[in-house]
Amino acid sequence: NAGVTQTPKFQVLKTGQSMTLQCAQDMNHNSMYWYRQDPGMGLRLIYYSASEGTTDKGEVPNGYNVSRLNKREFSLRLESAAPSQTSVYFCASRGDRTYEQYFGPGTRLTVT
Amino acid sequence: SQKIEQNSEALNIQEGKTATLTCNYTNYSPAYLQWYRQDPGRGPVFLLLIRENEKEKRKERLKVTFDTTLKQSLFHITASQPADSATYLCALDMGYSSASKIIFGSGTRLSIRP
Repeated sequence: NAGVTQTPKFQVLKTGQSMTLQCAQDMNHNSMYWYRQDPGMGLRLIYYSASEGTTDKGEVPNGYNVSRLNKREFSLRLESAAPSQTSVYFCASRGDRTYEQYFGPGTRLTVT
Repeated sequence: SQKIEQNSEALNIQEGKTATLTCNYTNYSPAYLQWYRQDPGRGPVFLLLIRENEKEKRKERLKVTFDTTLKQSLFHITASQPADSATYLCALDMGYSSASKIIFGSGTRLSIRP
């Protein structure tokens, strides 16, 4: 039981490049989330998915797209990376009855 | 839009004392309020959840209170230990199901000195 896994752990991109951050959970949760964390700003919600096939915008969705591929996987795509997207990205899933969130280890992204 | 403030960026207290962290929010009250712990370089870890109709929740040395009139939650760690040093995040759950949006505060960095 791995919980929530994220790949890659670290990534450096040049401005304008694209990439996809992968997230998977093995707890059979319906809800999954993507956050970014910047110094002094806490966690900000980018997108979330209440169930397979549905996605909704969070507080800071601009510049990102998501795909809920199946119940296990929820990916985050940066189509044209910008330096302002330098951040630590966390994926989380949420218990259907207990409501607590389980977080992955994070992806540290630098855009130069 | 909903705003969350955690009382201070950093809190430094002596081992054995009670640490008290504050979370204030504006606008409407959330259905649930949660507290998480985050260690450097790691993802947050869930600690406690309190519902809007609950005043207090306890778990071992942790206690959370929720006052919807003051729009405030207090998080207490009694008999604090250096191992309790971490950043603590408050999170507001805006809905009544596991599919709802969750908004986090910026966190309070707690340091417990021996």
